[in-house]
Amino acid sequence: GAGVSQTPSNKVTEKGKYVELRCDPISGHTALYWYRQSLGQGPEFLIYFQGTGAADDSGLPNDRFFAVRPEGSVSTLKIQRTERGDSAVYLCASSLVVAGGPDTGELFFGEGSRLTVL
Amino acid sequence: GEDVEQSLFLSVREGDSSVINCTYTDSSSTYLYWYKQEPGAGLQLLTYIFSNMDMKQDQRLTVLLNKKDKHLSLRIADTQTGDSAIYFCAESTLGSGTYKYIFGTGTRLKVLA
Repeated sequence: GAGVSQTPSNKVTEKGKYVELRCDPISGHTALYWYRQSLGQGPEFLIYFQGTGAADDSGLPNDRFFAVRPEGSVSTLKIQRTERGDSAVYLCASSLVVAGGPDTGELFFGEGSRLTVL
Repeated sequence: GEDVEQSLFLSVREGDSSVINCTYTDSSSTYLYWYKQEPGAGLQLLTYIFSNMDMKQDQRLTVLLNKKDKHLSLRIADTQTGDSAIYFCAESTLGSGTYKYIFGTGTRLKVLA
């Protein structure tokens, strides 16, 4: 499709399990972001990729969270030993922004993956 | 650290103007944005303003930026029921070496018919 695609749209898991969330950005977008949105809150920054490398992972809450983007396109957010507090909607966004470029940096968001940890 | 704050709720009557306010703390912000989120959907960009501007108008939308007070507002003229959604203010420091976008908590706009 033409937009940012995220799978699964809903994931229910048990405490302690491992979860992978996938993001397929808009073709050609070099920048990819992961955000977490808890109920009644705004998106909270997790990690930003420029190409294949994580340019800024300062938002990852702890070492249970990890993300990869091996070929500079699809990204996977991985959560180990899930906890109930990880329950949220995980949003992925992509952008054409490049370092030093003039673009206004519009973020194109997917519809999110809703994670529920029981 | 960076922080973006918004009031949580706003209720207006159809046809009236809505004004949604936002304050931010990062003085190095280069762009400020308004995103709209409808139920069950991702965020969509409504409009943006570059930090060296103080006003931008786009059809029914007017963005005002007071950089000295770090205050951003979004005015929606002739508000319609279809404008009911959550509106997020966001700031970025594009062009300054980092590309982290910080979002506010969102303002839920309810338009009464």
